[in-house]
Amino acid sequence: QPQLQESGPGLVKPSETLSLTCTVSGGSIGSSTYYWAWIRQPPGKGPEWIGSVYSSGSTFYNPSLKSRVTISLDTSKNQFSLKVTSVTAADTAVYFCARDDRAPNAYYGLDVWGQGTTVTVSS
Amino acid sequence: DIQLTQSPSTLSASVGDRVTITCRASQRVLAWLAWYQQKPGKAPKLLIYDVSSLEGGVPSRFRGSGSGTLFTLTITSLQPDDFATYYCQLYSQQDSSYSTTFGQGTKVEIK
Repeated sequence: QPQLQESGPGLVKPSETLSLTCTVSGGSIGSSTYYWAWIRQPPGKGPEWIGSVYSSGSTFYNPSLKSRVTISLDTSKNQFSLKVTSVTAADTAVYFCARDDRAPNAYYGLDVWGQGTTVTVSS
Repeated sequence: DIQLTQSPSTLSASVGDRVTITCRASQRVLAWLAWYQQKPGKAPKLLIYDVSSLEGGVPSRFRGSGSGTLFTLTITSLQPDDFATYYCQLYSQQDSSYSTTFGQGTKVEIK
């Protein structure tokens, strides 16, 4: 099983851009057949899928966040990244990266997760 | 958008009890359902995928079932390690895109 680790600033000012990176060890994300996902969880609430990226670089986003979100892959560093623009207090959450295991006409779940990183949006 | 509603929101039970959590989808679609367990300060852990398939290493007391718009997670004999919050997740495909959504959670507490 690979290991995933999120990193990035824990505090972001309103209207600025939130940037996080997920480093994957124990497997190459560029050559895998997995998708790689970002999920967030506001305090006291359930998880919310933000989006996923495939090893080819194809991306899929939550329609409610699509206008503000970019997920990208850096295969040379075995990392994938998340950017959320124009953040507000509503973007305050624990942000997780995860492996998204699926295939055409099959879904096997988010089976490997990072430990999560807390991001607070405040001035 | 498909909405998922879990019930109950909170459940009080004792060790050894049989526990059932329900997840209802707002519409019937071609979709797949998974269940996760989350403990405070930790990431969710995958228990069940494709409605009823047990993830590797997960005890057999966890069982998933259902179809259409109604799905259930059953813990056949609750153990001390099972007190946690449980989430269902629906994954759906449409054309060349996909989306996934989570339920609001069911907290299993010690009675």
